[in-house]
Amino acid sequence: NAGVMQNPRHLVRRRGQEARLRCSPMKGHSHVYWYRQLPEEGLKFMVYLQKENIIDESGMPKERFSAEFPKEGPSILRIQQVVRGDSAAYFCASSPQGKDSPLHFGNGTRLTVT
Amino acid sequence: GQQLNQSPQSMFIQEGEDVSMNCTSSSIFNTWLWYKQEPGEGPVLLIALYKAGELTSNGRLTAQFGITRKDSFLNISASIPSDVGIYFCAGQTNNNDMRFGAGTRLTVKP
Repeated sequence: NAGVMQNPRHLVRRRGQEARLRCSPMKGHSHVYWYRQLPEEGLKFMVYLQKENIIDESGMPKERFSAEFPKEGPSILRIQQVVRGDSAAYFCASSPQGKDSPLHFGNGTRLTVT
Repeated sequence: GQQLNQSPQSMFIQEGEDVSMNCTSSSIFNTWLWYKQEPGEGPVLLIALYKAGELTSNGRLTAQFGITRKDSFLNISASIPSDVGIYFCAGQTNNNDMRFGAGTRLTVKP
C-alpha cells in the first residue's frame, strides 16, 4: 500500500542546470498537487493537475517552471536554468477523484542549487 | 488566492499542558484539515472536517469547523514530547484547491 512516492529525496544542481522532480501518486489517485516549502516557512501552492490537464497553475512562476501529469507515468515538476533562490523542499500530494478528498503528501524532494 | 491566517506562530509548552491553535480566513471553505509535519518528512493528515460546526476528535486531538466556514481550531490535550512538530491548517474549496496556513511550530519540554 504505497503512499505518494517522490524522487529523488535530495537533488543538487549547479546554477543554470535543469531540475526534474518526480511524483507518483497513491494508487487510484488522479489528482496531483505540487507545493514548495522554504526553511521555517509554510507550504506554498504551485500547481494542481489531473491526468493530462493542468487545472490551476496560479502558484507557478511564469518562467522556468513547468509541470505535467501524463496519462502514463509520474507527475513531473521541471525547473529550467535553476537559480539559488529555487533551493527549497518541493512536496507533491495526491487525492482521489471527487470533492472533499484530503491530500496525502510525499516526503518531498529537497533541491539545493549551488 | 485565499489567505489563511494561522496562530500562534510558535508555542513552547511543558509536557502535560493543553495546546490550542487556530486558523481564520476571509474566504469560505468546504473542508478544513489539520496536518502535522516532522523534520525531513511530508505533512501527515491528522483530522479532516467536512461540515460547518463539526467537532471531531482523534485521540488527544480535537478540531472544529467554524460555523461561518471561515475558521477552525485544533486542540491537543495532555501534550507529550512526540507532539513536537509543525501543525498546518488547510482549507479546501469546492473545486479541490487547497491552501495552507503558515504553520504553528510546537515545542514540548519534558
